[in-house]
Amino acid sequence: SAVISQKPSRDICQRGTSLTIQCQVDSQVTMMFWYRQQPGQSLTLIATANQGSEATYESGFVIDKFPISRPNLTFSTLTVSNMSPEDSSIYLCSVDRDRKTQYFGPGTRLLVL
Amino acid sequence: QKEVEQNSGPLSVPEGAIASLNCTYSDRGSQSFFWYRQYSGKSPELIMSIYSNGDKEDGRFTAQLNKASQYVSLLIRDSQPSDSATYLCAVCGANSKLTFGKGITLSVRP
Repeated sequence: SAVISQKPSRDICQRGTSLTIQCQVDSQVTMMFWYRQQPGQSLTLIATANQGSEATYESGFVIDKFPISRPNLTFSTLTVSNMSPEDSSIYLCSVDRDRKTQYFGPGTRLLVL
Repeated sequence: QKEVEQNSGPLSVPEGAIASLNCTYSDRGSQSFFWYRQYSGKSPELIMSIYSNGDKEDGRFTAQLNKASQYVSLLIRDSQPSDSATYLCAVCGANSKLTFGKGITLSVRP
């Protein structure tokens, strides 16, 4: 497995503002992913964070709204831009060290007022 | 569109019973299959992975995979109140991306 930390663990934000979420892993990993889990729902993949290149976004998610950085093999950030109440959700990063199994961070609980 | 379907819940079983959780998937190219447990307010925790047809046992948990039927299941033997959680079935394709089912909430009655 991997030890994964996320910051912040939770936040309450005003609409129209942006929040950057950090994901740190205790060792180098090949793949990092960002998911959203809306209240009472399952997980939806936002994007794959690629080291050294632009993230790969899933259908329905765009870079302008969810810019992602991955400067090295242990760290990634997800920004939720120009937030609205519909962005209230849990945001989770996951890592896949061996291209077989994904492990999740503790999540960031976001409430947008 | 790749889909993962789980039984609609919730599922309630008495303590000590066997809980059976089922999942079907649409993508025949799927290669890896996972069960995650998610307690309320927590992130998903991997409890079982299975890659080939048949059964895989780990303690009280048994995962079963049938690729021909596109079916994967999780059996929890001797269910405990601490097993009460939402169980998510996840399927991984060749691109390492996970597709999750909606999850089923299990309640184990003392």
